[in-house]
Amino acid sequence: GQNIDQPTEMTATEGAIVQINCTYQTSGFNGLFWYQQHAGEAPTFLSYNVLDGLEEKGRFSSFLSRSKGYSYLLLKELQMKDSASYLCAGVDSNYQLIWGAGTKLIIKP
Amino acid sequence: DADVTQTPRNRITKTGKRIMLECSQTKGHDRMYWYRQDPGLGLRLIYYSFDVKDINKGEISDGYSVSRQAQAKFSLSLESAIPNQTALYFCATSDFGSGKELETQYFGPGTRLLVL
Repeated sequence: GQNIDQPTEMTATEGAIVQINCTYQTSGFNGLFWYQQHAGEAPTFLSYNVLDGLEEKGRFSSFLSRSKGYSYLLLKELQMKDSASYLCAGVDSNYQLIWGAGTKLIIKP
Repeated sequence: DADVTQTPRNRITKTGKRIMLECSQTKGHDRMYWYRQDPGLGLRLIYYSFDVKDINKGEISDGYSVSRQAQAKFSLSLESAIPNQTALYFCATSDFGSGKELETQYFGPGTRLLVL
């Protein structure tokens, strides 16, 4: 079966760095997405990886290892507005997105 | 103006009633999706459509039906609402093809549905 695993909740301090991990099992693989979702709002696109390695975009970076079925989202210089849920989604062989349940990130001052 | 809109934004209904949630998009995308989101369960796909003549069941289609009236419009119906259909419903769109730019899904603001 297809499955996406990520931690349910994480807590970090303002100004610090946090890494949110995601492991995936999909039928075929055509990339991995990270989305941000503030409470009660729509998910918004953060990053997409299809090749191994790290992609950096400002304070946010996303890493992929296809051989390990593993990705992480790295958030630097955390701000209070980064408090949100972070959704990992793998793209299967039919180009369908398989969604994880999301990681709720709590930022403390 | 928002690229993906949903109406209504909030709805309270009673068990057994038929209701319709509507989604419109101005992004010109071919693909449209309906998801529901429940606390702790993430997004679950209800139905999706790759073009006006193409409708596909998702993971949890029982109790739901859809209509793709035009490229820009995709409606979700609950034929006879039940309390466990209380959830946050999202419509999303994506373009056709593969790769980041074409597979990224863009979400509407969501509809909060409460079935009493």
